[in-house]
Amino acid sequence: DTAVSQTPKYLVTQMGNDKSIKCEQNLGHDTMYWYKQDSKKFLKIMFSYNNKELIINETVPNRFSPKSPDKAHLNLHINSLELGDSAVYFCASSQRGAWNTEAFFGQGTRLTVV
Amino acid sequence: GENVEQHPSTLSVQEGDSAVIKCTYSDSASNYFPWYKQELGKRPQLIIDIRSNVGEKKDQRIAVTLNKTAKHFSLHITETQPEDSAVYFCAASRPGGYNKLIFGAGTRLAVHP
Repeated sequence: DTAVSQTPKYLVTQMGNDKSIKCEQNLGHDTMYWYKQDSKKFLKIMFSYNNKELIINETVPNRFSPKSPDKAHLNLHINSLELGDSAVYFCASSQRGAWNTEAFFGQGTRLTVV
Repeated sequence: GENVEQHPSTLSVQEGDSAVIKCTYSDSASNYFPWYKQELGKRPQLIIDIRSNVGEKKDQRIAVTLNKTAKHFSLHITETQPEDSAVYFCAASRPGGYNKLIFGAGTRLAVHP
């Protein structure tokens, strides 16, 4: 069983379109994240939800809107896509505790805006 | 602000040699330091982590050392094999921050047979 799964794996779309990426984890974790990996492989956190509550919101254009219907799911909706949004988007999850623990990553969604 | 610097950006070694990757963090409150390996086209996967209450941790050919005073931690891979070729990322997070990982820029390791 895949611990953190996201769909789709590849997404090619035109500028100006709106698209969504879905993520699900079956690890029972409380916290889920969206990370963006740019063309230089740099990984940067975008958002984090804990038990459906938004807790981390980095400096991300408001065209990006995360939604967590329950603690096992975290989706990312992107409006008015721009060329610069092209990247690999990773969903991740971890369990909150006294100490930080391993974050498990999904397989990534390669978004290409043309 | 929070920052993690990672060096070198690329590392090329012969099979059997050792490889060392170094990271420095800026947030002195950081207490969790994972290392992730990312193979081409794959997800980042944890290979080892260390918490601030220990100075060193080892798992077979992989070891990590932490110097809290210098805010510096390193990954050591011994007896490298071609399958160790990948991009390695260090990261740091602070307590109470919901494990917000601040990643280094990555090191591309190439192990030549």
